[in-house]
Amino acid sequence: QSVLTQPPSVSGAPGQRVTISCTGSSSSIGAGYDVHWYQQLPGTAPKLLIYGNNNRPSGVPDRFSGSKSGTSASLAITALQAEDEADYYCQSYDSSLSAYVFGSGTKVTVL
Amino acid sequence: QGQLVESGGGVVQPGRSLRLSCATSGFIFRRYAMHWVRQAPGKGLEWVAMISYDGSNKYYVDSVKGRFTISRDNSKNTLYLQMNSLRAEDTAVYYCARGGPYSGSSSYWFDPWGQGTLVTVSS
Repeated sequence: QSVLTQPPSVSGAPGQRVTISCTGSSSSIGAGYDVHWYQQLPGTAPKLLIYGNNNRPSGVPDRFSGSKSGTSASLAITALQAEDEADYYCQSYDSSLSAYVFGSGTKVTVL
Repeated sequence: QGQLVESGGGVVQPGRSLRLSCATSGFIFRRYAMHWVRQAPGKGLEWVAMISYDGSNKYYVDSVKGRFTISRDNSKNTLYLQMNSLRAEDTAVYYCARGGPYSGSSSYWFDPWGQGTLVTVSS
């Protein structure tokens, strides 16, 4: 069972906006640790999508954005495209476990 | 940006050992903390271990403590994971990933990642 909770799946039509939540606790996100997001296309390794809560690495479209508040974080994808179909994971640190932790993962489906 | 290439995966019987390697290039390896992350078939990501830039500090997820050992050879730009007393639940794709500079902040991210190497523990 993952320390960070994400919805198993979200879906949207091309051009729509979808959001993925990532809920932690007072020892992880709520303790001030940054949240990062990764995109994993089918059969490939994860790729960094958002770092430090709301920063995009070079090459990541500005359709992807992140936010953090309290013990939760969110990833938003606007103007959804077919190529966005993938699994998305949030990641942070948990001081009670002394471990880096990932969310359970969310599968994004483009209808 | 950097490149990471894992090797050493394969099929191994329960209780046996395996050593994974991660060859790196394109960045100053000795300046960065490094991680191993695994993904069981059809499951999510799980952080396994971290080593500081100079190898002086090592951290592990509870489920592998006492069985796995992370190490590095900065002269060869290579990261290792020695896995002993393997169990069926260790079956996964193992990824190496670069962490933060030097000892690696707890708030740092993983980037880049290797392509992964599959470890299957089965009799």
